[in-house]
Amino acid sequence: DGGITQSPKYLFRKEGQNVTLSCEQNLNHDAMYWYRQDPGQGLRLIYYSQIVNDFQKGDIAEGYSVSREKKESFPLTVTSAQKNPTAFYLCASSTVADAAYEQYFGPGTRLTVT
Amino acid sequence: AQTVTQSQPEMSVQEAETVTLSCTYDTSESNYYLFWYKQPPSRQMILVIRQEAYKQQNATENRFSVNFQKAAKSFSLKISDSQLGDTAMYFCASFLQTQGGSEKLVFGKGTKLTVNP
Repeated sequence: DGGITQSPKYLFRKEGQNVTLSCEQNLNHDAMYWYRQDPGQGLRLIYYSQIVNDFQKGDIAEGYSVSREKKESFPLTVTSAQKNPTAFYLCASSTVADAAYEQYFGPGTRLTVT
Repeated sequence: AQTVTQSQPEMSVQEAETVTLSCTYDTSESNYYLFWYKQPPSRQMILVIRQEAYKQQNATENRFSVNFQKAAKSFSLKISDSQLGDTAMYFCASFLQTQGGSEKLVFGKGTKLTVNP
């Protein structure tokens, strides 16, 4: 079955530690996205990538880093510089980085930092 | 800054009745796309309906339809014959073109819809 997988579903880390969230897609999509969702908020864009080895900052990129070495994979690292990392993180992909095309979402990762 | 506003944080409706969720947006583009996404308790985001701004006809998908008022920058979602499975957060999203020429979605804060039996 084609889709987007995110692992793990729940992640717990101590403050000061970097943590990497996985996102893999087998839809052959060019574009991939990372969003953060907080209670009472919509989705806010962290980073996006339109093509392998290229990515752009979204609205809230500070304290995060990404890589896009393969078309299928777009991991997100939450660094110790992110002041409020506890949140629900959603990965998405689309055929092209064009709002005309539907973004398909993964099931999300709930990160808790204490 | 481009914005999408959902003025109803929470709504409820009786099963089988009709409910309308409101959304207004701000864009300077003449052609763009608007979306409604559903996020049930599982938190999986699912596209409900999409509207292309250059099309005057309102989009419909089974029990879901939109009322697209381009001049007013309004994009409401109507759910007919509400079902218990429609209970979810609903997010309105609009097109935004960045300075670099790429495009991204901007989301509203969502409306929590509860369908009561």
